[in-house]
Amino acid sequence: KAGVTQTPRYLIKTRGQQVTLSCSPISGHRSVSWYQQTPGQGLQFLFEYFSETQRNKGNFPGRFSGRQFSNSRSEMNVSTLELGDSALYLCASSLQTGSWDTEAFFGQGTRLTVV
Amino acid sequence: GESVGLHLPTLSVQEGDNSIINCAYSNSASDYFIWYKQESGKGPQFIIDIRSNMDKRQGQRVTVLLNKTVKHLSLQIAATQPGDSAVYFCAEKQGSGGSNYKLTFGKGTLLTVNP
Repeated sequence: KAGVTQTPRYLIKTRGQQVTLSCSPISGHRSVSWYQQTPGQGLQFLFEYFSETQRNKGNFPGRFSGRQFSNSRSEMNVSTLELGDSALYLCASSLQTGSWDTEAFFGQGTRLTVV
Repeated sequence: GESVGLHLPTLSVQEGDNSIINCAYSNSASDYFIWYKQESGKGPQFIIDIRSNMDKRQGQRVTVLLNKTVKHLSLQIAATQPGDSAVYFCAEKQGSGGSNYKLTFGKGTLLTVNP
């Protein structure tokens, strides 16, 4: 069974540009979450999607947005990039059927460097 | 200015010893907890989870203990091996079962296993 796939693995962008990151969840998983990981702040929740709807959002500015498609694949977009957006962006998928919580599996991440 | 990195707690053990990694969580309403292992350059890898209606759960070489009274979680690794060297994160999920999936992560513990 394939794991969570994130593309691209590495990205270098210039300040002011925008970027789109992609995440393909494990087959059958309907919940997709995004996290930002930096040395200064650790792992921080960005947002979570379930059945194409954003269910929860973290404390990030509106420059950070996302969406989920009918096949559960998700994208996140960051507009007007700032140097501080340099981070490892991680996607996690979870089965989330019924009323039980299930483990979230992470992808390898996309390493974004803003110069 | 430069961001200051998180000062990670560190644990150094000898190969073959048992390791205990501790975590204090923040929200008494959290009902689901997960331990992750993250190796350099990789995404977090699921180790073991526990629900709030349990106080202990065992996996292969790992045991998680949950003390809801003091909001404390621990991960015990038996017969630690060099391949166990990594950063270990605890994560808590808030909200009722099956609901929007947001994990709040601890800052992590760096485990170093000396051969």
